Amino acid sequence: AQSVTQLDSQVPVFEEAPVELRCNYSSSVSVYLFWYVQYPNQGLQLLLKYLSGSTLVKGINGFEAEFNKSQTSFHLRKPSVHISDTAEYFCAVRAPNYGGSQGNLIFGKGTKLSVKP
Amino acid sequence: NAGVMQNPRHLVRRRGQEARLRCSPMKGHSHVYWYRQLPEEGLKFMVYLQKENIIDESGMPKERFSAEFPKEGPSILRIQQVVRGDSAAYFCASSPGSGSNEKLFFGSGTQLSVL
Repeated sequence: AQSVTQLDSQVPVFEEAPVELRCNYSSSVSVYLFWYVQYPNQGLQLLLKYLSGSTLVKGINGFEAEFNKSQTSFHLRKPSVHISDTAEYFCAVRAPNYGGSQGNLIFGKGTKLSVKP
Repeated sequence: NAGVMQNPRHLVRRRGQEARLRCSPMKGHSHVYWYRQLPEEGLKFMVYLQKENIIDESGMPKERFSAEFPKEGPSILRIQQVVRGDSAAYFCASSPGSGSNEKLFFGSGTQLSVL
């Protein structure tokens, strides 16, 4: 079984400052890793994903994440945030070869990022 | 191309009533997933359906909950005899296929409130 821990429930930050949203996972097998963003009153959108290959993954809106297998982490970073980045961010994992059901994602509880002017 | 459409946006039910939540996947998508988000919790997988078939219902409560995805029309998540603990946001997602590289597209969710 897999689980995901997002250590920070809320992260306030000033505009143009860098931000890191932390995600740790546990799994007895290798996993795929995802970050989703949820803007107010909207559904989740995929920011980026790690399936294999380079451990540094670049996503949309200037976000990137680094997969660290030894630390079982997949932290999300952005060097300079904008007001429009205010949203809730969810880290998720999935075990590969899950009988074809790629939607069985395990989500963390989310981190609310609020960017202040 | 419209995204994943869920309705109603908000649904209020009294204890013991039935709740029906609808999800129309994106055009061309034949795979639908339902998730539930309890307050202060992450999304929890409930069920995965393809047209007319339930593929994986490992996240569905054993009683009162059912889902369908008929050949024609939207996918329906049905909750019978609702209780206060069913109050949550229910999200639907769709994809064109089931491969590991397939991207999920999420709807805006239905907020169910049980009085």
